[in-house]
Amino acid sequence: GQQLNQSPQSMFIQEGEDVSMNCTSSSIFNTWLWYKQDPGEGPVLLIALYKAGELTSNGRLTAQFGTTRKDSFLNISASIPSDVGIYFCAGRNTGKLIFGQGTTLQVKP
Amino acid sequence: EAGVTQFPSHSVIEKGQTVTLRCDPISGHDNLYWYRRVMGKEIKFLLHFVKESKQDESGMPNNRFLAERTGGTYSTLKVQPAELEDSGVYFCASSSRSGGTSLREQFFGPGTRLTVL
Repeated sequence: GQQLNQSPQSMFIQEGEDVSMNCTSSSIFNTWLWYKQDPGEGPVLLIALYKAGELTSNGRLTAQFGTTRKDSFLNISASIPSDVGIYFCAGRNTGKLIFGQGTTLQVKP
Repeated sequence: EAGVTQFPSHSVIEKGQTVTLRCDPISGHDNLYWYRRVMGKEIKFLLHFVKESKQDESGMPNNRFLAERTGGTYSTLKVQPAELEDSGVYFCASSSRSGGTSLREQFFGPGTRLTVL
């Protein structure tokens, strides 16, 4: 079945640093999504991308839909302690979401 | 507007017992999804309802899992009998079939953490 490879698996950074994570797939997706999960909560949508090559920002977050439609990246600039959590990429063609394995982000004040 | 709610938040059961998880989607959302995350792995799709009909149940692991959405409102996911490998966090998500693109994305509940001993 379809699989997404998300990297890195975990990151431990200093507050104020920029962060980058990415997802790649062997299959094409029509939509790429980035979610964040806080402890004890469900995933919350951060950014949705609908067109190949699209670059979208949401505050300090920027995500891009790869031109081949097989990859996407998420950048977080000037990280702060509340950025801590698990970040998931997800691809979609029909209804169901295909998720990456997640990137666990820890931020040291 | 209330979000997706799930009950219970945690459940600890013995192998061989039965557990029923409940999901209440956002009011008016026709699409309802169940997902599962086993420890440290990716979140995996289980099935998709459109109103009361099963649109896609390709992710259901086996016939020990039964999902229902009577009346097209809340949904239940029953595991009978539970096995050790069923442990994980079960998420429910719902989405609307109308509105702008971002409004049609899936909103997730907080999940039910299931532990099978």
